[in-house]
Amino acid sequence: ETGVTQSPTHLIKTRGQQVTLRCSSQSGHNTVSWYQQALGQGPQFIFQYYREEENGRGNFPPRFSGLQFPNYSSELNVNALELDDSALYLCASSWDGTDYGYTFGSGTRLTVV
Amino acid sequence: AQRVTQPEKLLSVFKGAPVELKCNYSYSGSPELFWYVQYSRQRLQLLLRHISRESIKGFTADLNKGETSFHLKKPFAQEEDSAMYYCARLILTGGGNKLTFGTGTQLKVEL
Repeated sequence: ETGVTQSPTHLIKTRGQQVTLRCSSQSGHNTVSWYQQALGQGPQFIFQYYREEENGRGNFPPRFSGLQFPNYSSELNVNALELDDSALYLCASSWDGTDYGYTFGSGTRLTVV
Repeated sequence: AQRVTQPEKLLSVFKGAPVELKCNYSYSGSPELFWYVQYSRQRLQLLLRHISRESIKGFTADLNKGETSFHLKKPFAQEEDSAMYYCARLILTGGGNKLTFGTGTQLKVEL
């Protein structure tokens, strides 16, 4: 059984650019959630995908968008990057959205300069 | 807004001393609460959930609805307990569910 894999591990982008982060769910999991963790803060919920549909969204602007694919892998896209978008982005997978045992990936460290 | 509060950014204890990491939540119905842990250079992982009433690595957490607290306790701290600890609450939204995290407490166990 594989865990949650995220790529890339680190990324540096310029303000105004666009970025795509990727996540492969744990085997058997069909729900993916994305979190943003700024330095010194707890993870903040961005959105959740269940069976390829957005299934809940946190307080993030529309320039944060996502996709989930038939194999349950997922992407997080951020357009028009701002300096405050610099953070660790975490992906977590679970079964059916109701399994409380979220499995987290190691995250992608995004730096916007 | 449903909040989770961890008042201590850093907690430093000596090996063998008791540990209590504090967590308070804003009251709303019957909360589903969890403790997550992040060891150095490792990913965030579930430590325990209140519905299981389990003890993991010697840690326990009791839900106190009267005080709206879910403090994490261990009677004797070990060096390997040094890590970042996050209290989290599962919020059921219209379309799914999400975890709301506290800001975390860094536990440092000194020899």
